[in-house]
Amino acid sequence: GENVEQHPSTLSVQEGDSAVIKCTYSDSASNYFPWYKQELGKRPQLIIDIRSNVGEKKDQRIAVTLNKTAKHFSLHITETQPEDSAVYFCAASMQGAQKLVFGQGTRLTINP
Amino acid sequence: SQTIHQWPATLVQPVGSPLSLECTVEGTSNPNLYWYRQAAGRGLQLLFYSVGIGQISSEVPQNLSASRPQDRQFILSSKKLLLSDSGFYLCAWRNDGQGVYGYTFGSGTRLTVV
Repeated sequence: GENVEQHPSTLSVQEGDSAVIKCTYSDSASNYFPWYKQELGKRPQLIIDIRSNVGEKKDQRIAVTLNKTAKHFSLHITETQPEDSAVYFCAASMQGAQKLVFGQGTRLTINP
Repeated sequence: SQTIHQWPATLVQPVGSPLSLECTVEGTSNPNLYWYRQAAGRGLQLLFYSVGIGQISSEVPQNLSASRPQDRQFILSSKKLLLSDSGFYLCAWRNDGQGVYGYTFGSGTRLTVV
């Protein structure tokens, strides 16, 4: 089955700098890759996703890139702000699969 | 629009007591439904998922069970809670119709077993 590895487990950056979180997946048939943000004590919320027919997707300060050959995808946050502090989860799924496979999570801390 | 309701928000239960957590989805039909558990500071552990009424798949053998008595209702139960059952329980739904693959999570139930 699919396996998703996420790195780093913790990340601390200065406010205004960029943050990058990376995930690798094992099943080349996976074609959908969402990213979730979970603030302390809250539910995970979908912030951006990408499908395998696209190499990059942007939404304001957030972008996701996908390298199908290497089977990895990354979340990029630019101009980080204190409210970006949270745990971020990547996930992977293939069409027709009944569930997402999540990475282990990255705790991002933005230092003022 | 679709909404997901999960209750209660917090629960403190003694060891050995029963558990029933309920999740309902509105505004969609035949959703895939999921129960996750998250220990403090940890990742998302899939417990059960269901693709239809009465259809339950278990991911982790333990003293929990799940049921789906109606299309948009998913229940997590235990006959006797253990201390290790403490955690943040999240229900989620997913509709695979026309290119929608992501989960939407409920607000969660924080369970403390004492």
